[in-house]
Amino acid sequence: DGGITQSPKYLFRKEGQNVTLSCEQNLNHDAMYWYRQDPGQGLRLIYYSQIVNDFQKGDIAEGYSVSREKKESFPLTVTSAQKNPTAFYLCASRFSGMPSGNTIYFGEGSWLTVV
Amino acid sequence: GQQLNQSPQSMFIQEGEDVSMNCTSSSIFNTWLWYKQEPGEGPVLLIALYKAGELTSNGRLTAQFGITRKDSFLNISASIPSDVGIYFCAGQPPSGTYKYIFGTGTRLKVLA
Repeated sequence: DGGITQSPKYLFRKEGQNVTLSCEQNLNHDAMYWYRQDPGQGLRLIYYSQIVNDFQKGDIAEGYSVSREKKESFPLTVTSAQKNPTAFYLCASRFSGMPSGNTIYFGEGSWLTVV
Repeated sequence: GQQLNQSPQSMFIQEGEDVSMNCTSSSIFNTWLWYKQEPGEGPVLLIALYKAGELTSNGRLTAQFGITRKDSFLNISASIPSDVGIYFCAGQPPSGTYKYIFGTGTRLKVLA
């Protein structure tokens, strides 16, 4: 099946620990994104990547890092510098082209909880 | 940062009723997207709109791209219990950016 796969679905992080969330897509999309979702708020952009080996900070990049070594993969590392990491994290990728235009599709999300 | 105003924030409706929600912005967008999200799951794309004035349907769902390019609405006809969830809009600012702006969502509850 084509789609965006995030793993793990649930992750617990201890204080001072770095954790990595995986995102893989087999849609052949060029652009990929990471968003953070908190209750009652709209999605906030952490990082995005338009092409392999290139990525840009979003609105809340502090405490996070990413890599884009392959077109299919865009892992997100939540570092110990992120003081409030408990949230639902969503990976997305973007289809660009006619006739459908620019549309983004989401993975199923990963829950990160600090313990 | 730039934000979308989405309303209503929540609504309770009776099964069989029609539902309407909308998103407005102070800036223009090139694309409007509507998603449904259920608890603990990723958003699922419902309808994508690419031209001002465009009216698109997907089953019982209909969405329109406002003529001013600053708003969009989503209608659900004859609601059923499985329509429960959070619906949110997303807009893409004019070309040259890969960023999207998201509304805060409309929480829909359907009473059988």
